Amino acid sequence: DAGVTQSPTHLIKTRGQQVTLRCSPKSGHDTVSWYQQALGQGPQFIFQYYEEEERQRGNFPDRFSGHQFPNYSSELNVNALLLGDSALYLCASSVISEQYFGPGTRLTVT
Amino acid sequence: AQKVTQAQTEISVVEKEDVTLDCVYETRDTTYYLFWYKQPPSGELVFLIRRNSFDEQNEISGRYSWNFQKSTSSFNFTITASQVVDSAVYFCALSYMEYGNKLVFGAGTILRVKS
Repeated sequence: DAGVTQSPTHLIKTRGQQVTLRCSPKSGHDTVSWYQQALGQGPQFIFQYYEEEERQRGNFPDRFSGHQFPNYSSELNVNALLLGDSALYLCASSVISEQYFGPGTRLTVT
Repeated sequence: AQKVTQAQTEISVVEKEDVTLDCVYETRDTTYYLFWYKQPPSGELVFLIRRNSFDEQNEISGRYSWNFQKSTSSFNFTITASQVVDSAVYFCALSYMEYGNKLVFGAGTILRVKS
């Protein structure tokens, strides 16, 4: 049984560019959450998707947007990248259970 | 607002020593849930334990034990007879729902276990 998978593993972008990160939840999980983990800090909640709708949102600007597909997979989009967006982006999936985390995507903005 | 504080930035111990990781939380919710996660160098957060606010009974799982004290808003984690494989970053987290809700994490404690 595959766990939560994320792609790509690493990504380097330039300021002002746009980026899309992808997440496939654990089999049977219908809820996907995204977190941003800056270096040396704990993960911070970005938003959560359930039934293809954004159900909860953390304190992140509108440059951060997402989508959930009918197969429950999800994308995180970040527009107009800033240097401060450099971080590990973690995806977590759940279905009436504790959240299972993926290995993350390391985004570097130069 | 919910907040989690892990005052210990980094702890170094020698193998077989016992080590306690501290966690202090703040919340106005009467019902809440506390978690511990382990993050090895691979980056994936590994779930260790979930505890609800109505259950202050301490829990032991092998070499791991947790001490929940509502009076001091603390949820401390002890590793007995530490091993090199315990080296990781450990996060304490808080949520007002048991499952699937957003987690508020502390800054984490880096644990280094030397042989």
